[in-house]
Amino acid sequence: DIQMTQSPSSLSASVGDRVTITCQASQDISNYLNWYQQKPGKAPKLLIYHASNLQTGVPSRFSGSGSGTDFTFTISSLQPEDIATYYCQQYDNLPYTFGQGTKLEIK
Amino acid sequence: QVQLQESGPGLVKPSQTLSLTCTVSGGSISSGSYYWSWIRQPAGKGLEWTGRIYTSGRTNYNPSLKSRVAISVDTSKNQFSLKLSSVTAADTAVYYCAREDNWNWGLNYWGQGTLVTVSS
Repeated sequence: DIQMTQSPSSLSASVGDRVTITCQASQDISNYLNWYQQKPGKAPKLLIYHASNLQTGVPSRFSGSGSGTDFTFTISSLQPEDIATYYCQQYDNLPYTFGQGTKLEIK
Repeated sequence: QVQLQESGPGLVKPSQTLSLTCTVSGGSISSGSYYWSWIRQPAGKGLEWTGRIYTSGRTNYNPSLKSRVAISVDTSKNQFSLKLSSVTAADTAVYYCAREDNWNWGLNYWGQGTLVTVSS
């Protein structure tokens, strides 16, 4: 299985801050990577697909980049409603695997 | 708008079979190029991809579940189902059904999730 390692595991930031989360794959996955947002008690929501493509309806403050083994997810200006846990997921090989998640909190 | 809804027992005894159904509304389960998937999440932990079934009936499973898992589809009811046999406490989790679209290979639509507890 491809291992996905996210960092940090948790993050505290202020409203308006730029927030960056990284995801590293254990092998080259090209750009076959998605990012999800999960709020407490809710199902995950797809934000970014194919490493850098914004899902329809998702605010433009969210973005993704990277290819190969190293990927970055960025919130350009943190909003209170962005409090959630964020997961990366690879779809290069089965079984699909997720990172362990990054819990984002407001400082 | 496509909607998915999980249903099934919330409590299963150890060694028995967990059975869940996902009902799809707002579209036919047999049309389009979609994978109908199951993902689970133990309390306070991350997401684990369980498996999926394509509209053609082809299935893929997580090898970590070995031969315990089976996913099937009932087009007449617009439902797909998960069966997980010989369950243990480690199978206790929130189980989500989801639709994966093969234009972006993302899990674009999710059910709300259902908690299944394995306990005697």
